[in-house]
Amino acid sequence: AQTVTQSQPEMSVQEAETVTLSCTYDTSESDYYLFWYKQPPSRQMILVIRQEAYKQQNATENRFSVNFQKAAKSFSLKISDSQLGDAAMYFCAYGGGSQGNLIFGKGTKLSVKP
Amino acid sequence: DTAVSQTPKYLVTQMGNDKSIKCEQNLGHDTMYWYKQDSKKFLKIMFSYNNKELIINETVPNRFSPKSPDKAHLNLHINSLELGDSAVYFCASTRIRSSYEQYFGPGTRLTVT
Repeated sequence: AQTVTQSQPEMSVQEAETVTLSCTYDTSESDYYLFWYKQPPSRQMILVIRQEAYKQQNATENRFSVNFQKAAKSFSLKISDSQLGDAAMYFCAYGGGSQGNLIFGKGTKLSVKP
Repeated sequence: DTAVSQTPKYLVTQMGNDKSIKCEQNLGHDTMYWYKQDSKKFLKIMFSYNNKELIINETVPNRFSPKSPDKAHLNLHINSLELGDSAVYFCASTRIRSSYEQYFGPGTRLTVT
């Protein structure tokens, strides 16, 4: 069975600095997708970034980028120029197999200090 | 225009009651999901429907029953509510199951007293 592990329950970053959130996963599949979702206090789940496993190039979305290491099964999220609005829970998620559902890690709570 | 909507957003009820949560998506997606987020924020799949057909039914008590009247709606009915059912329930949908990119509703916070 696939699993997703986020080893950092909480992280803190100074405004305008860079922070990296870690995620590792376990799967025997070769074709899958990885995601980072943001959940602010409003509890809405917001898709931050997505990576297709067959693509070697790391995905980027403005200030958000990933470091995808397929062999190591690692998928970290880097947030550059952190803003107060980045404060939220961040969930790493795996998508693979025929059923289409996501498997989530336990989340990392990110605080941003002014 | 809300893509995935849920009603109600908050639900407070007593043990033993029966309640329903409704979900609607206006994205034209074929697959819809219910996820449960527990008090520790852990999100886990409960059910998935594709074109009104149940395709995932994780280990969930029989008191939970999904109903899909059409592919734009997926409702969750819960019988004989228990304290442990208190959680946030998210509906989600995806256009193509194989893309895994899911759009989430705003969640329903269920509190059982």
